[in-house]
Amino acid sequence: EAGVTQSPTHLIKTRGQQVTLRCSPISGHTSVYWYQQALGLGLQFLLWYDEGEERNRGNFPPRFSGRQFPNYSSELNVNALELEDSALYLCASSLMQGPGDTQYFGPGTRLTVL
Amino acid sequence: GQQLNQSPQSMFIQEGEDVSMNCTSSSIFNTWLWYKQEPGEGPVLLIALYKAGELTSNGRLTAQFGITRKDSFLNISASIPSDVGIYFCAGRAAGNKLTFGGGTRVLVKP
Repeated sequence: EAGVTQSPTHLIKTRGQQVTLRCSPISGHTSVYWYQQALGLGLQFLLWYDEGEERNRGNFPPRFSGRQFPNYSSELNVNALELEDSALYLCASSLMQGPGDTQYFGPGTRLTVL
Repeated sequence: GQQLNQSPQSMFIQEGEDVSMNCTSSSIFNTWLWYKQEPGEGPVLLIALYKAGELTSNGRLTAQFGITRKDSFLNISASIPSDVGIYFCAGRAAGNKLTFGGGTRVLVKP
């Protein structure tokens, strides 16, 4: 069974640009989560999508947004990039909500903002 | 907001040693998860805990969901060089998002 996949693996942008990151969940998983991991730091929750709807959002500005498609894949969009947006962006998926929920992570997209 | 305190921040292991790390929180969690992350990769799930008091093993790894639901520990027995990496605890409460600890960096003693 294929795991969570993300693309691209690496990306270099300049300040002010916009970026789109993509995630495909494990087959059968309906929930997709996005996390930001700055270098040397822990993971910070960004967004949770389930059944095409945004269910929860972390403490990030509105220029971080996303969507989930009918096939449950997801995009994360970041507008007006700032230097501090440089980080590993991780996508995770889960099969169910509630006590049995377990999130499985993809390999991440390394974004560098110059 | 919810915060997880994970300790130690880093540790050196010698092959064959048993090591332990833990996470504590001021809030109650419904689920505790332990992940391992290696450089340039996403976290890989090691153990999931769903009930207070639950003790679960995965090979040489053992983790427990604290009875108060505010803490969890992970033990690695008979450590080997490939145990090197960063171990993260994560707690899940309402809203389905995970709150992560700061990580424990496991290194090999020179």
